[in-house]
Amino acid sequence: DTAVSQTPKYLVTQMGNDKSIKCEQNLGHDTMYWYKQDSKKFLKIMFSYNNKELIINETVPNRFSPKSPDKAHLNLHINSLELGDSAVYFCASSQNPGSSNEKLFFGSGTQLSVL
Amino acid sequence: GDSVTQMEGPVTLSEEAFLTINCTYTATGYPSLFWYVQYPGEGLQLLLKATKADDKGSNKGFEATYRKETTSFHLEKGSVQVSDSAVYFCALNSGGYQKVTFGIGTKLQVIP
Repeated sequence: DTAVSQTPKYLVTQMGNDKSIKCEQNLGHDTMYWYKQDSKKFLKIMFSYNNKELIINETVPNRFSPKSPDKAHLNLHINSLELGDSAVYFCASSQNPGSSNEKLFFGSGTQLSVL
Repeated sequence: GDSVTQMEGPVTLSEEAFLTINCTYTATGYPSLFWYVQYPGEGLQLLLKATKADDKGSNKGFEATYRKETTSFHLEKGSVQVSDSAVYFCALNSGGYQKVTFGIGTKLQVIP
């Protein structure tokens, strides 16, 4: 059983389109995240949700809107896609975000290519 | 703010060679330190961690020691295998809501 699963694995689309990436975790964790990994492998946090509440929003354009229908799901909707949005997007979760030594569990990533 | 600096890759080694990937950090307070590994086509997974000064994290033959005096957490392995080929990320967390700071990732290629 996959602990953190995200779909789709690959997403190829045209500039200006709207797309969504879905994420689900079956670990019972309260906190979920979206990270963006650029072509140079640099990994940067975008959003963090704790029990469906937004905790971190890291200067991400308004075109990106996370939605958490319940604590096991955190979806990412992107409006008006731009070339610079091309990247790998990772969903992650953790159990106890208040603890600095808690590890993150990552999904396998969604490679988004905007043409 | 917090930051993590690690050597840029790629690092190419022959099988059974000794590996060191350097990582230094700046942080407020007393962070926990991590090494994550990303195998091709997969998400990151925790390799090892250390939560206080002089702690040594170890897993799968990899080791890293939390050195507060040099603000470093270098990753080492005595004898690498082809299966160790991956991207390795050094990371820290100063606490709070899991605002983990990652380094840029170092790609390791091990050739037979």
